[in-house]
Amino acid sequence: EPEVTQTPSHQVTQMGQEVILRCVPISNHLYFYWYRQILGQKVEFLVSFYNNEISEKSEIFDDQFSVERPDGSNFTLKIRSTKLEDSAMYFCASSEAGTDTQYFGPGTRLTVL
Amino acid sequence: GEDVEQSLFLSVREGDSSVINCTYTDSSSTYLYWYKQEPGAGLQLLTYIFSNMDMKQDQRLTVLLNKKDKHLSLRIADTQTGDSAIYFCAEISGYSTLTFGKGTMLLVSP
Repeated sequence: EPEVTQTPSHQVTQMGQEVILRCVPISNHLYFYWYRQILGQKVEFLVSFYNNEISEKSEIFDDQFSVERPDGSNFTLKIRSTKLEDSAMYFCASSEAGTDTQYFGPGTRLTVL
Repeated sequence: GEDVEQSLFLSVREGDSSVINCTYTDSSSTYLYWYKQEPGAGLQLLTYIFSNMDMKQDQRLTVLLNKKDKHLSLRIADTQTGDSAIYFCAEISGYSTLTFGKGTMLLVSP
């Protein structure tokens, strides 16, 4: 069964460094999403992406964040100048055209020291 | 704004039924979802219900939707120890963003 994959599973970085989290969505899906879950808190929407453009973004998704689909299979989230409060589990999701049903990857745990 | 609320913890014995409840606020939500998260794993889509339905059954899972009260429930029949996990209720809001509850931790004891 096709699934969303994410790498790395765990990333440790120093405050102020840049990180890139990678996702491979399900191959025939056209809509891509990033969510995050800070430990003990709700899963929060960050951004959605379609047709090489951001469709929607939350207040969390400020200038520190960017997304890109560098090729036909990968979808990346870049966090510039990481802060301690960026420590969280980051989930990628994808959905087919014509449906709102989103399938999630296993997540990347980001730890900022 | 949109908000989804769930009870945080439920403990049942193996073989019993489990009922996990959720309330949501966005009456325009078209779909409502249940996701399962096992320890150290991602969010697994369990089931979903379209907003014009009031019930959906899928093997051991039954979803009930009361649109008037904005109440959603997930019933797991014959609960097994492998069902122990965190269960998230979520609604579609905005363009196509999911708003999640905090999750209900289900603990199934033998």
